[in-house]
Amino acid sequence: EDQVTQSPEALRLQEGESSSLNCSYTVSGLRGLFWYRQDPGKGPEFLFTLYSAGEEKEKERLKATLTKKESFLHITAPKPEDSATYLCAVQAHYSGAGSYQLTFGKGTKLSVIP
Amino acid sequence: NAGVTQTPKFRVLKTGQSMTLLCAQDMNHEYMYWYRQDPGMGLRLIHYSVGEGTTAKGEVPDGYNVSRLKKQNFLLGLESAAPSQTSVYFCASSSQGAQPQHFGDGTRLSIL
Repeated sequence: EDQVTQSPEALRLQEGESSSLNCSYTVSGLRGLFWYRQDPGKGPEFLFTLYSAGEEKEKERLKATLTKKESFLHITAPKPEDSATYLCAVQAHYSGAGSYQLTFGKGTKLSVIP
Repeated sequence: NAGVTQTPKFRVLKTGQSMTLLCAQDMNHEYMYWYRQDPGMGLRLIHYSVGEGTTAKGEVPDGYNVSRLKKQNFLLGLESAAPSQTSVYFCASSSQGAQPQHFGDGTRLSIL
């Protein structure tokens, strides 16, 4: 069974205080790992897709990295507008209907204090 | 450009009632998905579609039906609502299979 565990559940940072969010996964053959941002009362917003260990993607203050067991979302010098819940999801190498199944983590709620 | 639009945004039903949730996308995407999000759990796939006229079951399909008669619309139906179906329902679309790229803002459904 595919599993995704995100830590910490919640994180409070001062504005400008860099940190990292963790996404640990267990999957029988990783096809892709995805990061989303979700604001309260809104749907998730796609951020990054990572496909293989060693891959990195960047967008503004966010940088996502991938190893064979986990992914990190690094937040550099965060601002209050970065406050949101960050979701991680994995897709495994399945055929047929299983290939459309993503396993989502429960998310990390980030609060950036001015 | 509206993206993915879900209607209604909120709804309260009584047990046993039926209803349909509507999802519309204006990006000409082939793939569309219905997810539910419950407190303390990750998003779970209910049903999905890989193109007009096609539907398939996801992880938690029981108690739901779907239809995709037009490419831009994906409907989720509850034939006989149960309290366990109280949740926030999200529709999503994508141009690439399996990875939802654009989500709607959700329908908050309470079943009493």
